[in-house]
Amino acid sequence: DTEVTQTPKHLVMGMTNKKSLKCEQHMGHRAMYWYKQKAKKPPELMFVYSYEKLSINESVPSRFSPECPNSSLLNLHLHALQPEDSALYLCASSQEFDRGRRGDGYTFGSGTRLTVV
Amino acid sequence: DAKTTQPTSMDCAEGRAANLPCNHSTISGNEYVYWYRQIHSQGPQYIIHGLKNNETNEMASLIITEDRKSSTLILPHATLRDTAVYYCIVRVNAGGTSYGKLTFGQGTILTVHP
Repeated sequence: DTEVTQTPKHLVMGMTNKKSLKCEQHMGHRAMYWYKQKAKKPPELMFVYSYEKLSINESVPSRFSPECPNSSLLNLHLHALQPEDSALYLCASSQEFDRGRRGDGYTFGSGTRLTVV
Repeated sequence: DAKTTQPTSMDCAEGRAANLPCNHSTISGNEYVYWYRQIHSQGPQYIIHGLKNNETNEMASLIITEDRKSSTLILPHATLRDTAVYYCIVRVNAGGTSYGKLTFGQGTILTVHP
C-alpha cells in the first residue's frame, strides 16, 4: 500500500458543528502532516507529527485540534469554524521528519474539501 | 529553507518538451531541490529531487546549474495530463538525505495544449 487515504472527500458543516477529518497510511511512515490549501494558493503547513507526537504547530487557531492515535492514523478535529476556514485539507506522510532518510519525499492524500456555512 | 522563484504560468504543446525554470539563488550547501506537481483537485505528487548532479527518472529530468542557484525541470514529451501546478522547493539535507518541512511557493501553472 503506497497511498494516503483521507475521509471524507467532501464535508459541509455549520459554524456550531463539531466534525473530524481522518487520514490513514500503511507505509510505515513515522511522520504525518496536515496542510490547508485555499483556492488558487499553495498548500500551507498546519501541523507536523513525528513518532505520534506533535512536533510543529504553525500557529494554527485552537478551533483546529489534531490527534495522532497511532502511527497509521491522523485526525483533525474541527469545532466552531468560520466560513474563511473553507479550504482543501491535505494530509501527507513521510518516513521521518527530523532525521534524514534517503529518498524521503512526502506522499499526499487527495484531500478533504471542507465548506463551512 | 531557501526561497524559490518560478514563472507564474507557462504553455507547452502536446508532445513537446516542457522546460520549467526555478531560481533559488540563496540555496545553501545543505539543501536539496525538490519538484512536486498538483493536478487540479488532487494532492501534490512528488516528481524528482537532486542536490547538485542532474537527475532523471521515469517522470522527468532535473538539471541543476553548477553554482546551484537555479534548476530546470524537464518533461520530455508533455501530454495533456501533465497540465498542473509545478512547485520547486528547497529542503534541508543532512548526510546525503533530506528531511524537515516541505514549504510550497506559488509554483508555475503549466498548461499543455493539443
